[in-house]
Amino acid sequence: DTGVSQDPRHKITKRGQNVTFRCDPISEHNRLYWYRQTLGQGPEFLTYFQNEAQLEKSRLLSDRFSAERPKGSFSTLEIQRTEQGDSAMYLCASSRATGIGEQYFGPGTRLTVT
Amino acid sequence: DAKTTQPPSMDCAEGRAANLPCNHSTISGNEYVYWYRQIHSQGPQYIIHGLKNNETNEMASLIITEDRKSSTLILPHATLRDTAVYYCIVRVEFGNTPLVFGKGTRLSVIA
Repeated sequence: DTGVSQDPRHKITKRGQNVTFRCDPISEHNRLYWYRQTLGQGPEFLTYFQNEAQLEKSRLLSDRFSAERPKGSFSTLEIQRTEQGDSAMYLCASSRATGIGEQYFGPGTRLTVT
Repeated sequence: DAKTTQPPSMDCAEGRAANLPCNHSTISGNEYVYWYRQIHSQGPQYIIHGLKNNETNEMASLIITEDRKSSTLILPHATLRDTAVYYCIVRVEFGNTPLVFGKGTRLSVIA
């Protein structure tokens, strides 16, 4: 299966620690998106890249959050000084820059901050 | 904010058609209606999209009203594996803009 993969699938961390998540998109997709989903809500957009360029960041993406896609392939999302409110599912999606704009999602990384 | 309104939940008997409504009264002329679904513990999955004509693929049919202010996603023969949260989203097709999800409709298919 060559779908979107995310690592780790689950992460438990203590408040104040830093965490980093990885997303590997479908290989020919040059757009990559990060979303966050809390219980009972739909996913909320955080940021997206076209190749290595970060094109848009949501106001939800506080200064403690940083995302990179250094070679236009995989991406990392880092959260510094985690807070309990950061507990959520972090979803990654990828798409072609052209076409119908269908986004393919990974299984997500579930973060629990204790 | 999401530009769509959906009922929070619906039930459907296995083997029957599931009809999921969506209101999008402020849709713009260049915006399409997209449907995604999210099965428990998985990422969302694209189902179908359309502009103004009815669309059908191997997963579902999409019926859009003539005034484009509402639409219905139809799963013709629902199975237990169709139990999921279904999201209706309006967006420009080729802008590849981020998806704006609402809370969706939780569809429960009952045996």
